[in-house]
Amino acid sequence: KQEVTQIPAALSVPEGENLVLNCSFTDSAIYNLQWFRQDPGKGLTSLLLIQSSQREQTSGRLNASLDKSSGRSTLYIAASQPGDSATYLCAVSGSARQLTFGSGTQLTVLP
Amino acid sequence: EAGVVQSPRYKIIEKKQPVAFWCNPISGHNTLYWYLQNLGQGPELLIRYENEEAVDDSQLPKDRFSAERLKGVDSTLKIQPAELGDSAVYLCASSLGQGSADTQYFGPGTRLTVL
Repeated sequence: KQEVTQIPAALSVPEGENLVLNCSFTDSAIYNLQWFRQDPGKGLTSLLLIQSSQREQTSGRLNASLDKSSGRSTLYIAASQPGDSATYLCAVSGSARQLTFGSGTQLTVLP
Repeated sequence: EAGVVQSPRYKIIEKKQPVAFWCNPISGHNTLYWYLQNLGQGPELLIRYENEEAVDDSQLPKDRFSAERLKGVDSTLKIQPAELGDSAVYLCASSLGQGSADTQYFGPGTRLTVL
C-alpha cells in the first residue's frame, strides 16, 4: 500500500526566503506526482503535476522535482511572500489513478 | 469556466440522522471523485466514477455510505445513519481522465459536523 510522508509538518519563514518542502513515497510505481495548495476552509488547488517520465516542473516561483528511484519529491518556493501561506499537499497517483495524499506541510510566511 | 460546485458548504446534524452532499463537476469531465478529509490530514478517496460507473469504491463504507452519478454528470453522496466519527470535510473532484497528465480539480468541500 502506497504511503506518502511530508516533512516538515509545519514551517514558518520570513518573507523573501527561499524554501523547500519535502515529500517521500514508498512505492515507486507511480503515474504522476502532484503538489496541491489548500487554504483554510477551501478546497485544493493543483500547483504542479510531474509525470512519471519527467524530472521536474516549473511554474513561476515554484519548482517541483521528482526522483522516482529514491521515492522523493521536493517543492521549491523562491522569494516567499505572505500570500504563499497555506497548507501544501503532495499526492501520488498509481495505475488505478487513485491519489494518495500526504498529511501536508503548513507554511506560514511572516511579513 | 466554472469550477467544481458543491453544496451545502456546511452541515450540522445529530447522530443517526441521514445527510446528503451534492457535486457538479467541471463540464466535460468524465471522471468524478469523492474524498474524505479529516482535520490535519490529506484527503482519502471514497469512490471514483468514470461517467456513471463506479470503478473504484473499495474505500467506501457500504453499510452506511452510498453514492450515485446519474447521467454521468452530477453526483450525490449519502450517509445514513450518520455517526460521530463521520465529522469531516467531504471533497468532490473531477478530471478529464487523460492518462498520466490527468489533473484533478477540487471543489470547496462540505464540512459535516455530527453532534
